[in-house]
This record gives sequence, structure tokens and C-alpha cells, in this order.
Amino acid sequence: QKEVEQNSGPLSVPEGAIASLNCTYSDRGSQSFFWYRQYSGKSPELIMSIYSNGDKEDGRFTAQLNKASQYVSLLIRDSQPSDSATYLCAVNRATDSWGKLQFGAGTQVVVTP
Amino acid sequence: GAGVSQSPRYKVAKRGQDVALRCDPISGHVSLFWYQQALGQGPEFLTYFQNEAQLDKSGLPSDRFFAERPEGSVSTLKIQRTQKEDSAVYLCASSLGPGEANYGYTFGSGTRLTVV
Repeated sequence: QKEVEQNSGPLSVPEGAIASLNCTYSDRGSQSFFWYRQYSGKSPELIMSIYSNGDKEDGRFTAQLNKASQYVSLLIRDSQPSDSATYLCAVNRATDSWGKLQFGAGTQVVVTP
Repeated sequence: GAGVSQSPRYKVAKRGQDVALRCDPISGHVSLFWYQQALGQGPEFLTYFQNEAQLDKSGLPSDRFFAERPEGSVSTLKIQRTQKEDSAVYLCASSLGPGEANYGYTFGSGTRLTVV
């Protein structure tokens, strides 16, 4: 079992709709959670971080964390074609206090006009 | 520069050749990370430096991989006797310090290595 699991997709979303991405992690000691966006041929770009249970909103993005269930999700509201990318979930474990990240394999999102 | 700089952007190596990949972190950043991203996969941790000290090299896949940061700034990832399975994008990231790294960091543009 991988430490961080994501559905690979592709997740097809009509323009203007909400894209919902999920991520589960195995280490209960994980403390920091991140979503990166990666366009084809580019490096990952940090778009959201979340550290405590609940929701965190930033523009059209909302990250949700549930430590008891060991999952973190990302909602993209009013999806745009420019949101078409691979979204990577990353987790920092408490034992890696200097910032080492465990990544999932990513979920490909395709926003169709 | 404003961000993490990596060179070369692309490298084609013949199997068995040695390669060296360079990372210029953001000036003053203490923490430096190397990751390897195979096609269709998420980045995998390779190694971590705090200044010139290599504090974690648990992700280096074999003894053919070697990383250094002798003066605590520029870092070089060296791969000896390259194999086809080494083909990947090698990503570097830096952070002001280990505490700040826990709040996420930004990657450089990466070096795409293709071993033929």
C-alpha cells in the first residue's frame, strides 16, 4: 500500500462545474497536507496547504482535511479549462520534521468547454 | 534569481555514462531537497540538505546516485553509470529553513534526463 493514494483519473469536469479530488494517507502521524498542480511538462506548483481539520478556502479552491478518516480533498469551484492539469496530494509526516514530502501519483483533471 | 534554478533543462545520456545535475537554490535558503519524478508518477524524495550537511539520503535508489552541497548553496546530483530506469525528471526545491519547509516549498523547473 502506498503511503498517499489518489485516483489517477482522468476526471472529466464540465466548465463551470465543481471538481472534487480525494486523497488518503496511511500515516496517522502526518501533520501537514498540500495540493500541488502540475501542468504537462512543467514542475509542480503549490496551490493549497492545510494543517488542521476542517475546510480552508482560497479563491476557487477549498481544501478539506479529516485526520480521523485520514483523507484530504480539494474542491475546485467554477472549473475553467486552465484548471486542466494533474493535481498531486502531498503529505508531511511528523517524523520528517524538516519538510520531507510523500506524494500521491496524482489525479488528472480535464475541464471540457 | 527569483526562484530555484536547475540546469541543464534536458539531458540525454547514453547508458553507462555519468551525469551531473545542478541546482541553484534561492539565495539564503538553508534547506534543499531533491526529488525524482518518473513519467505518470508523483515526485519521490531522494535526499535533503541542511546547509552543507546531507541529513537524509534515504531515497537515493542505489549507490550510483550521489549528491553534494559543499558550500551550503549550489547542489549537484550525480548519477554514475546511468541506466534506462534512471530516466525521469529530477526536481530540486529549497526553503528558508526546516521549519518553513513544513509550510510547503516551490520546485525548480527540473531536469529531464533521458537515458538511451
